[in-house]
Amino acid sequence: GDSVTQMEGPVTLSEEAFLTINCTYTATGYPSLFWYVQYPGEGLQLLLKATKADDKGSNKGFEATYRKETTSFHLEKGSVQVSDSAVYFCALGPLGYQKVTFGIGTKLQVIP
Amino acid sequence: ETGVTQTPRHLVMGMTNKKSLKCEQHLGHNAMYWYKQSAKKPLELMFVYNFKEQTENNSVPSRFSPECPNSSHLFLHLHTLQPEDSALYLCASSQAWTSGSSYNEQFFGPGTRLTVL
Repeated sequence: GDSVTQMEGPVTLSEEAFLTINCTYTATGYPSLFWYVQYPGEGLQLLLKATKADDKGSNKGFEATYRKETTSFHLEKGSVQVSDSAVYFCALGPLGYQKVTFGIGTKLQVIP
Repeated sequence: ETGVTQTPRHLVMGMTNKKSLKCEQHLGHNAMYWYKQSAKKPLELMFVYNFKEQTENNSVPSRFSPECPNSSHLFLHLHTLQPEDSALYLCASSQAWTSGSSYNEQFFGPGTRLTVL
């Protein structure tokens, strides 16, 4: 079955540091790939998505590129802020269906 | 504020109690979902409703019983739960799925933190 693997964390960075959170996946066919973010006390929010190979999703300074050859979708940000502290979930979903498979979530803590 | 509300936000119950979780969406969506979020585990999809019809039951024990009376409301009825059912229960909604459609973004509520004693 489909699965998503991501680092559990926590990841602790200083403000303005570079962020990478790794995500790899196993799936049949060509799924869409997503990053969701969960701020403390809130539900998940879609951060960015990519629907086909080599697509780059981007939002709020975060980027991730759909790499079919390495089955990866790593999340990056050039300069993190304290307000980016949250849990980040990598996820995949087959086209035409609503059943999304989530990773375990990576907690990011940014310190001033 | 995502347009999806959940009540209560926190619930403590004994194993013999019966309680219900409520979810309401104000986004005009026709699909609703229940997820279970446990520490150190991936988010688990429990139930999916499309146009008020249940289209997914992800091998959930019968002590969890969903109800979707209309496209705006979703309930999760709980009875004789176990301590391992303690978790954050998230509700989400989206545009309904139809054959051939692409992914429709799911909007999540803040969750109900459930503790079973």
